[in-house]
Amino acid sequence: DADVTQTPRNRITKTGKRIMLECSQTKGHDRMYWYRQDPGLGLRLIYYSFDVKDINKGEISDGYSVSRQAQAKFSLSLESAIPNQTALYFCATSDFTGNYGYTFGSGTRLTVV
Amino acid sequence: GENVEQHPSTLSVQEGDSAVIKCTYSDSASNYFPWYKQELGKGPQLIIDIRSNVGEKKDQRIAVTLNKTAKHFSLHITETQPEDSAVYFCAASPRSGYSTLTFGKGTMLLVSP
Repeated sequence: DADVTQTPRNRITKTGKRIMLECSQTKGHDRMYWYRQDPGLGLRLIYYSFDVKDINKGEISDGYSVSRQAQAKFSLSLESAIPNQTALYFCATSDFTGNYGYTFGSGTRLTVV
Repeated sequence: GENVEQHPSTLSVQEGDSAVIKCTYSDSASNYFPWYKQELGKGPQLIIDIRSNVGEKKDQRIAVTLNKTAKHFSLHITETQPEDSAVYFCAASPRSGYSTLTFGKGTMLLVSP
């Protein structure tokens, strides 16, 4: 089984719909992150959590919210999806120092029509 | 905050040639510099990293160099093979344990047989 599992892998949704992307990990890491990947723009940080009671906004948090349900679970929600949120979304984890590299999931490809 | 510039955005080489990808960073407090490889349909995977107390690190055909004075670091791949074709991301992180990785925009490397 993958260390970091993202569901769903692919999703098409309509403008205005609420959608949740889920992430679970078996690494035992305290820190979890949500990144968005767009062609030519690299990986941009949406939200991150250093432990279960900690939630922080990243570079591009507008239009998104997150929930850290447990050490192993971190979900990303789009309250009212819009077409420019069409992107590849990655969840990642790291240990408490953050300086031993991130472990990424396989990504969720989201299309908003 | 930290800003990471990565060049080139695309790089085409012949099998057996060397490939070099360069990154610059803005925050002199950054002390951790990982490189990630993203294959098609997968999440980024850590391939090598370097810390600010080291000038060069090598792992088989890949090496990373760091120039703290100039605030730039580079990935070197020797004897390239078709399976090296992927998108490569550099990243940087400040010294604080409460920091996150800032990624470059990525380099698409294509190795032709």
